[in-house]
Formats: sequence, structure tokens, C-alpha cells
Amino acid sequence: DGGITQSPKYLFRKEGQNVTLSCEQNLNHDAMYWYRQDPGQGLRLIYYSQIVNDFQKGDIAEGYSVSREKKESFPLTVTSAQKNPTAFYLCASSSQGFGANVLTFGAGSRLTVL
Amino acid sequence: QKEVEQDPGPLSVPEGAIVSLNCTYSNSAFQYFMWYRQYSRKGPELLMYTYSSGNKEDGRFTAQVDKSSKYISLFIRDSQPSDSATYLCAPRGASGGSYIPTFGRGTSLIVHP
Repeated sequence: DGGITQSPKYLFRKEGQNVTLSCEQNLNHDAMYWYRQDPGQGLRLIYYSQIVNDFQKGDIAEGYSVSREKKESFPLTVTSAQKNPTAFYLCASSSQGFGANVLTFGAGSRLTVL
Repeated sequence: QKEVEQDPGPLSVPEGAIVSLNCTYSNSAFQYFMWYRQYSRKGPELLMYTYSSGNKEDGRFTAQVDKSSKYISLFIRDSQPSDSATYLCAPRGASGGSYIPTFGRGTSLIVHP
């Protein structure tokens, strides 16, 4: 079945450490996205990519980095510069072009800073 | 003013009730209006979407868009405990940089038996 796989599901980090969240899709979607979700805050866009080797900052990119070396993969690194990284992180993908291009989401990764 | 406003709730209703979930938006360029459902500790999933103004029905769910007042609604008939989830509205434009959806905060719905 096609879908998006995020790993790990739960991750604990000590302050000052970088961590990388994995996101892989087999939907042949061109666009991929990373969102952060905090209680009562809705989804906030961190980064998005419309094509391999290209990505754009979203609304809250500071303290995060991404890469898009393959169409299927869009890993997110939460760096030590992110002051409040504890959150639920969601990866999504979509097709592009004319039409609804709805987002398909992964199951999420919950990051906790100890 | 945020681009998309949505009351976070929680909204608590008895089983069988008709539920009305609503969003307002400010960007007149929005053309597609999505509703996503998110169960606790899971990723959102698309429930349904409409294009431009009007109604769309899918089983017990009806999505309604009034572009003149920039008002989006989702109605759930005969609500079930399994409908308990957070509902996110996500309008977006039709082209260019506006294709990325803007999410509301989500409304938490609790349907009790």
C-alpha cells in the first residue's frame, strides 16, 4: 500500500543535541512538507519541497534544517538552535498541478526534550 | 487577524446529534476547502473537500462553503462516538505559492454515548 512512513514514532533528546526525523513516501508525490503541532496551536509549516534538491522555508523554519536528495525522502533535523523543540512533528506529501492536491500525512513523530 | 480562524472547542455532544463545525478565512484567493480529521496521537487524514462555493455531501458528512462571507462549515449527521476527533479546516489557493493549505487550529469534537 502507498503511504508515508515517519520514524521514529517517539524520540527523546537531551538539550544541545541534534536529532533527525525520517520521512519516506512511496506515493510518487512531488511535494513534501514538514509541520509542527503543539496543543491548541494547529499545524505550523516548517519547510516544504516541491522538487528534488530544492526546498523552501515555512513559517517557523528557525532551528530546523531539511534535505531533499531523493523524491521519496525528506528528512528533518531539529538542531540545538531550536529553543522549544518538544512537539508532535508531521510529514506530508502531495501531488502538484491542477486539482485539489490533497495532503497525505504520516503518523507523526513525537519529540521530547529531557 | 489569522488567515483561518477556527474555534478549538472542545465541542461535546450526545450520540445522534447534528454537529456543526465552522471556520472563517480572510484570503479571497482560496479556492479549495479541505476538511481533515485527526484522531488522538495520529496524523490527519482527508475527510472531504469542496471547490469554490456550494455544498458537498458524503454519507453523514456535508461540507459547505460561502465565499461571499468567507465561511466554511462541516455538518455531521447522526454523530457517533467514533467521530470523536479533531477536525481541521484547510483552505488553499488554486495555483502558484498559494497551493499550500493554511490550517485552522482544529476543533476538538467529543461524541458521548
